[in-house]
Amino acid sequence: QKEVEQDPGPLSVPEGAIVSLNCTYSNSAFQYFMWYRQYSRKGPELLMYTYSSGNKEDGRFTAQVDKSSKYISLFIRDSQPSDSATYLCAMSAGYSSASKIIFGSGTRLSIRP
Amino acid sequence: DADVTQTPRNRITKTGKRIMLECSQTKGHDRMYWYRQDPGLGLRLIYYSFDVKDINKGEISDGYSVSRQAQAKFSLSLESAIPNQTALYFCATTSGGSIFDEQFFGPGTRLTVL
Repeated sequence: QKEVEQDPGPLSVPEGAIVSLNCTYSNSAFQYFMWYRQYSRKGPELLMYTYSSGNKEDGRFTAQVDKSSKYISLFIRDSQPSDSATYLCAMSAGYSSASKIIFGSGTRLSIRP
Repeated sequence: DADVTQTPRNRITKTGKRIMLECSQTKGHDRMYWYRQDPGLGLRLIYYSFDVKDINKGEISDGYSVSRQAQAKFSLSLESAIPNQTALYFCATTSGGSIFDEQFFGPGTRLTVL
């Protein structure tokens, strides 16, 4: 069983829709959670990060962590064609940059104009 | 100019050949990483380096070696390439000591081993 599971998609929604991207994980030691966005033929870029359970909002993006269910989500409001990309969740048990980060396999998102 | 560059961008090689992938960064960061990305498996860490004299194995270092020639340069070598090393390879760099400090990724090298 993978430590982090992420639906690969593709997920296609119309412009303006609310998008929900999700990951589940099995390691209860994970405390630090991140979302990366990867455009086609580019490297990933850090989008948001959260610590432990709760919500964090940044503009149109909201990251949500439910540690009791081992489930994290990224919500995108008022989705735009420019949001079309692959979204990777990532998580770690440690805070140091030497800590092991486990990445999800990514969900490919397409926003239809 | 891009902050993190990788060469080559694409490479096709044959089983048993030695291959070197190169990474350069202009951000002045000490920490550099090599990852591979495979469909359905996500990003996996191969090696990382926190400074020129500090090299560490990641989770999948077997079959790979690295060289940190300078603060700005970090090379990944496949001594004898095999087909299951076909993947997209990314170099990344960060300045900070926490996992929340953004890693700046290069554009990737697509390697195919026949």
